[in-house]
Amino acid sequence: GAVVSQHPSRVICKSGTSVKIECRSLDFQATTMFWYRQFPKQSLMLMATSNEGSKATYEQGVEKDKFLINHASLTLSTLTVTSAHPEDSSFYICSARGVSGTVRDFDGYTFGSGTRLTVV
Amino acid sequence: RKEVEQDPGPFNVPEGATVAFNCTYSNSASQSFFWYRQDCRKEPKLLMSVYSSGNEDGRFTAQLNRASQYISLLIRDSKLSDSATYLCVVRRSNDYKLSFGAGTTVTVRA
Repeated sequence: GAVVSQHPSRVICKSGTSVKIECRSLDFQATTMFWYRQFPKQSLMLMATSNEGSKATYEQGVEKDKFLINHASLTLSTLTVTSAHPEDSSFYICSARGVSGTVRDFDGYTFGSGTRLTVV
Repeated sequence: RKEVEQDPGPFNVPEGATVAFNCTYSNSASQSFFWYRQDCRKEPKLLMSVYSSGNEDGRFTAQLNRASQYISLLIRDSKLSDSATYLCVVRRSNDYKLSFGAGTTVTVRA
């Protein structure tokens, strides 16, 4: 089945530094990548949507200059949390949607395994 | 109002019991509905899609009520391994974005 590899799974960084999270689709072409954030006991909240080769679309309230998204190829999307602060500590997870016509279009979306970010 | 609302639970049930819970969604134009399972802050995993006529997958039964805008999940003959958080997920009508409920926690005890 479709697999999305997300790295790192866990990262601890100092306040003010930047952290890059990668999501790679291993056996399909991810035309669209969704990036979510989940705080404890809360739902996954969509941060942004990226399509290969174009600028990401950010949800209301998400700072595009703080959360940089790059989707340069059909198999790789990255999220960079710039100048991280403790309030950015969260579980970040990507979800890929494949090329039109694949079963994943309608049966769900392929999620990465998530990145737990702790900013100290 | 949240797009998707769920009873957070927790539902604590003995092995073999039946447990059921609902979620409601606010956008009447929503097109697709899913139940996902999430374990201990890992990634969500698709449990089943929810179809208008209702559908069953083994011990799991999902129902959709478009008129009342709610979705239900019923688990029969609960197993210890069913302990998890169940996420109600709705796909928006005109794009492929998903809206997630906060989850219903189910704990099955021996």
